[in-house]
Amino acid sequence: KNEVEQSPQNLTAQEGEFITINCSYSVGISALHWLQQHPGGGIVSLFMLSSGKKKHGRLIATINIQEKHSSLHITASHPRDSAVYICAVNTGGFKTIFGAGTRLFVKA
Amino acid sequence: DSGVTQTPKHLITATGQRVTLRCSPRSGDLSVYWYQQSLDQGLQFLIQYYNGEERAKGNILERFSAQQFPDLHSELNLSSLELGDSALYFCASSVGDAGGYEQYFGPGTRLTVT
Repeated sequence: KNEVEQSPQNLTAQEGEFITINCSYSVGISALHWLQQHPGGGIVSLFMLSSGKKKHGRLIATINIQEKHSSLHITASHPRDSAVYICAVNTGGFKTIFGAGTRLFVKA
Repeated sequence: DSGVTQTPKHLITATGQRVTLRCSPRSGDLSVYWYQQSLDQGLQFLIQYYNGEERAKGNILERFSAQQFPDLHSELNLSSLELGDSALYFCASSVGDAGGYEQYFGPGTRLTVT
């Protein structure tokens, strides 16, 4: 079993839909990151969380440390949100472990 | 633009060769991280440097080495290249040396080994 699991692997949504991507981890962490990778390959950091909830525009990220679970929500999805979303955790040993990513396609 | 630069953008080389990838962190960032993204294994952490010193090692092969220079730029050296080393190599930088700091990613170097 991978130390960081994401679901779903693939997601197709209609423009305007509310989207949730989940991330579960089995290791102790100091922080969790949500990353966005566009088809061209570039990676952008969306959020870094160690507790609670953060919001940026239409994106919301939450983390539950006790349950070792995080969610990334996209409200009013748009075709430009189409990308791969990757969950990554920083472990206590300064290492970073990545989830396999969720490929999102938003149809117009 | 994250402020992290990587050169070259693309590199095509033959098996058995040696290449050097370069990364310049954002101004003020002391940590540099190297990651490998291959089709079959996704993103993997290779190594981290903080202010010139190695901080953490991940799944970095013995054929690979890295260093961070006094001006904080970093180089990743890949030697005795194999077909399986073909991948996107990203570097990222952050202010601090532990988890809990946002990482800023460079555009990546696409390495193709033929």
